[in-house]
Amino acid sequence: DAKTTQPPSMDCAEGRAANLPCNHSTISGNEYVYWYRQIHSQGPQYIIHGLKNNETNEMASLIITEDRKSSTLILPHATLRDTAVYYCIVRNRDDKIIFGKGTRLHILP
Amino acid sequence: DTEVTQTPKHLVMGMTNKKSLKCEQHMGHRAMYWYKQKAKKPPELMFVYSYEKLSINESVPSRFSPECPNSSLLNLHLHALQPEDSALYLCASSQESVGRGGPQYFGAGTRLSVL
Repeated sequence: DAKTTQPPSMDCAEGRAANLPCNHSTISGNEYVYWYRQIHSQGPQYIIHGLKNNETNEMASLIITEDRKSSTLILPHATLRDTAVYYCIVRNRDDKIIFGKGTRLHILP
Repeated sequence: DTEVTQTPKHLVMGMTNKKSLKCEQHMGHRAMYWYKQKAKKPPELMFVYSYEKLSINESVPSRFSPECPNSSLLNLHLHALQPEDSALYLCASSQESVGRGGPQYFGAGTRLSVL
């Protein structure tokens, strides 16, 4: 079973920051938080991952709370092309990726 | 370059046919994966190859037969499939085996219809 809880859907206005929450209250010390997204009819796309420090790359930022029980993926300036299902996944180095149901993000023009 | 190439993009087959799906990556990754995704569901892991050896089989029926001829290629041989096997089949690769962590990079998938 997936170890994460995400809202089933969210809306965000184009040009605004999209903040996608994820709860992982049973996360262990050696487990990483990964984010992927899947645009309709395409394969999942890796976005970012982190252990306990906040991370940023060209696509997004990942904010992990100090107790590591939740995290937020931030898309700083959402565009229509960011409409997708976003998956938050917790895994350690020995785990397979288990996808949960994800959050369906709608970017509104 | 994080490209994983899957062919064909679409496949229609009868229940008595034999067909193969192909996946290729040239990133030097040593782990490759097959996933199955039904409509409106998340992807589900089927097989993992690590250093060209099968390391995980998620109790997949024998009508699905994976093969890893070399470190860049992954095949999925299909035989005597059922209509309920119709799905999007995704291939992925990662730098090391699933036991070592690191992101997986996915192909665009093969959409399979079994008639």
